[in-house]
Amino acid sequence: AQTVTQSQPEMSVQEAETVTLSCTYDTSESDYYLFWYKQPPSRQMILVIRQEAYKQQNATENRFSVNFQKAAKSFSLKISDSQLGDAAMYFCAYMNYGGSQGNLIFGKGTKLSVKP
Amino acid sequence: DAGVIQSPRHEVTEMGQEVTLRCKPISGHDYLFWYRQTMMRGLELLIYFNNNVPIDDSGMPEDRFSAKMPNASFSTLKIQPSEPRDSAVYFCASSPYREGTEAFFGQGTRLTVV
Repeated sequence: AQTVTQSQPEMSVQEAETVTLSCTYDTSESDYYLFWYKQPPSRQMILVIRQEAYKQQNATENRFSVNFQKAAKSFSLKISDSQLGDAAMYFCAYMNYGGSQGNLIFGKGTKLSVKP
Repeated sequence: DAGVIQSPRHEVTEMGQEVTLRCKPISGHDYLFWYRQTMMRGLELLIYFNNNVPIDDSGMPEDRFSAKMPNASFSTLKIQPSEPRDSAVYFCASSPYREGTEAFFGQGTRLTVV
């Protein structure tokens, strides 16, 4: 069975600085997808970024980028120029390729605080 | 589209009572998922449907939990009888049948059983 581990329960960053959230996963599959979701206090789960395992290029969405290391089974999220609105819980998630779309395995999350 | 719609947003009930959570998925989505979020266990999948048919209910904790999807636009998750340990946030999510597509989540129902 696949597992996702986020080893940092809480992180803090100064506004305008850069922060990296860690995620490791375990799978025997070669094709899969990885996601980062953001959950602000409103509880809404918001997709931040997606990575296809067959793509070597790291995904980027504006201030958000990932460092995908397939061999190491590592998938970290970098937030540049942190803003107060980035404060939230961040969840790393895994999804099998070719399976039911949206069937996600989540890590326990990292709570990010942004200091003004 | 309005997104995935869940009701109620908050529910407080007494132990032993029946609780029904409701979900309207995004129109045209083929998959519907029920997740539960707790501090201890994080986000865990309870059950999911494909074209209204339950596919995997191995995450349903006990027989007290049941889920139905009578049509493509509506699903319920019922707990009968409810217990304090069922207190959690319950999310409904949907996704289309398109490779690599993520799940789109509703805003969740916070259930408190006293």
